[in-house]
Amino acid sequence: EVQLVDSGGGLVQPGGSLRLSCAASGFSFSTFWMSWVRQAPGKGLEWVANIKQDGSEKYYVDSVKGRFTISRDNAKNSLFLQMNSLRAEDTAVYYCARGGYNFGYWGQGTLVTVSS
Amino acid sequence: QSALTQPPSASGSPGQSVTISCTGTSSDVGGYNYVSWYQQHPGKAPKLMIYEVSKRPSGVPERFSGSKSGNTASLTVSGLQAEDEADYYCSSYAGSNSFGGVFGGGTKLTVL
Repeated sequence: EVQLVDSGGGLVQPGGSLRLSCAASGFSFSTFWMSWVRQAPGKGLEWVANIKQDGSEKYYVDSVKGRFTISRDNAKNSLFLQMNSLRAEDTAVYYCARGGYNFGYWGQGTLVTVSS
Repeated sequence: QSALTQPPSASGSPGQSVTISCTGTSSDVGGYNYVSWYQQHPGKAPKLMIYEVSKRPSGVPERFSGSKSGNTASLTVSGLQAEDEADYYCSSYAGSNSFGGVFGGGTKLTVL
């Protein structure tokens, strides 16, 4: 059974940092693109970043370029999102998802709240 | 403002059919056969219902079908059931405009 378990969210002040993690199981993690997708409270879905199977290609939505970094550890079947210089508008539930632009499986989400 | 345009709401009675539209441009929906549809119940993660315009993942009922004409994609739910009440989001690959694709704003489907 495919499982994605998101963690690392919490309350952080504007300008602060957080590192999200996603533990994958039940499939060959190293053979799939992986992504982070977010959903602000009461709003729709927004793709944030994705990473190629071997980590050689990474892409970001314009609003997070230079602030967020996606990475992966294929040996540990894990996906990460390092978020720096956080802003109030980054407040959202962040989902780990399998795929680069077509998301077949999703984690349960982890809530990031940016507030003073 | 979302890249893809969906109606904010749709509704139908049990047993009826409902179609939700998703309008983009030639740079996304019209340019690629990579349109997906997701179902999201309150407080839950999204679930893939349709991919590559009209393909259904294993386990998704045949009542859900997808199509595309020009820059507009559509999701049709036939034989509506109470459990189909949820938010539905379309998405499309958009090439260099957005390597992770673009989403619609979502449609709240109500089963009357």
